[in-house]
Amino acid sequence: NAGVTQTPKFQVLKTGQSMTLQCAQDMNHEYMSWYRQDPGMGLRLIHYSVGAGITDQGEVPNGYNVSRSTTEDFPLRLLSAAPSQTSVYFCASRDQVNEKLFFGSGTQLSVL
Amino acid sequence: GENVEQHPSTLSVQEGDSAVIKCTYSDSASNYFPWYKQELGKRPQLIIDIRSNVGEKKDQRIAVTLNKTAKHFSLHITETQPEDSAVYFCAARVTGANSKLTFGKGITLSVRP
Repeated sequence: NAGVTQTPKFQVLKTGQSMTLQCAQDMNHEYMSWYRQDPGMGLRLIHYSVGAGITDQGEVPNGYNVSRSTTEDFPLRLLSAAPSQTSVYFCASRDQVNEKLFFGSGTQLSVL
Repeated sequence: GENVEQHPSTLSVQEGDSAVIKCTYSDSASNYFPWYKQELGKRPQLIIDIRSNVGEKKDQRIAVTLNKTAKHFSLHITETQPEDSAVYFCAARVTGANSKLTFGKGITLSVRP
């Protein structure tokens, strides 16, 4: 099992550019989510999905889109990047039996 | 929604001493309380969790206690070692397919050799 795979690990964008952060898991988890981590702010939920075809907003959804066409993949799209979106992004999936969250390795995003 | 708070934001202990990290939560319906450890530059990883039907859970040098009446739970680390230095996040949620896990802001634990 590869677990949760996130790409890219690092990305630099210019203000206004768009991009997609990729996330895939091979554990057949129904629940997947995206968090952003900023200094002193902890882990804040952006969007989550409880299964293919179902997505919902988290705590800080503005400026981000998600889709869930398959159980394995849950990409996060930045529509028009802003400096406020400079952060470390983590994708996570959840084991529905023991509720453990498995995190990807993270994406460090800088928006100039 | 749920609000989880951790205090203080930093904690420094001498190697071999015990460390206690406390969290409070706001939603009395929350019934699942995990703790995640994040080493510098790494991803968060679950180290221990507790459900509301028990008051304490231990795993080697770490333990978690839960006080449902006061709505707080604590992480206890005994015989601290330098490799315990990390950011620790507490979290809370109501179990169920659609419920979200809410994290505290994290506490940085430093273990002085």
